[in-house]
Amino acid sequence: EVQLFESGGGPLQPGGSLRLSCEASGFKLSFYAMHWVRQAPGKGLEWVSSVSPTSDNIFYADSVRGRFAISRDNSNNMLYLEMSSLRAEDSATYYCARDRDQYGTFDYWGQGTLVTVSS
Amino acid sequence: QSVLTQPPSASGTPGQRVTISCSGSRSNIGSNPVNWYQHLPGTAPKLLIYSKSQRPSGVPDRFSGSRSGTSASLAISGLQSEDEADYYCESWDDSLNGWVFGGGTKVTVL
Repeated sequence: EVQLFESGGGPLQPGGSLRLSCEASGFKLSFYAMHWVRQAPGKGLEWVSSVSPTSDNIFYADSVRGRFAISRDNSNNMLYLEMSSLRAEDSATYYCARDRDQYGTFDYWGQGTLVTVSS
Repeated sequence: QSVLTQPPSASGTPGQRVTISCSGSRSNIGSNPVNWYQHLPGTAPKLLIYSKSQRPSGVPDRFSGSRSGTSASLAISGLQSEDEADYYCESWDDSLNGWVFGGGTKVTVL
């Protein structure tokens, strides 16, 4: 069974840093591109970042470019999102998602981890 | 303001057909596949429709998708109470070099 489990969220102050993790199981991570998608309270889904299977292609949304860094460890079935210079508007539930075909078809999602940035 | 435009809400009675629109541009829907997701608060979003109106295993055929030019739509026929959820369209944008979601449509079963 394919499963994705996010962790690492929590409360922090503006300007702070945080690393989110996503543990994958039930499939071979190295075969799939992976994404982070977030949802701010009361808002819609927003794509954040993606990484290709071998990390040779990485993309970021304009809203996080230069502050967030996506990475993966295929040998340990882990996906990461390093977040720095955090702002109040980064407060959201962060989901990791598997891309079934590298065309942005997110076929499996985790339950999400909540990040709250507030002074 | 989302790159893909969806109506904020839609509603219908049980058994009715509900259609949700998703309006984009040549750089996204006009030249790339469109996917649709169902999202219930507090749960993981679920892939409903992908590529050319394909449904993942387990998604009922009451859900169907279509695309014409720079717009796409999701249709739910035989509306059921469990269809109450938020629905999002999504596509790649060639200009932004990233994926974009619609603002979401909340479907209410009256």
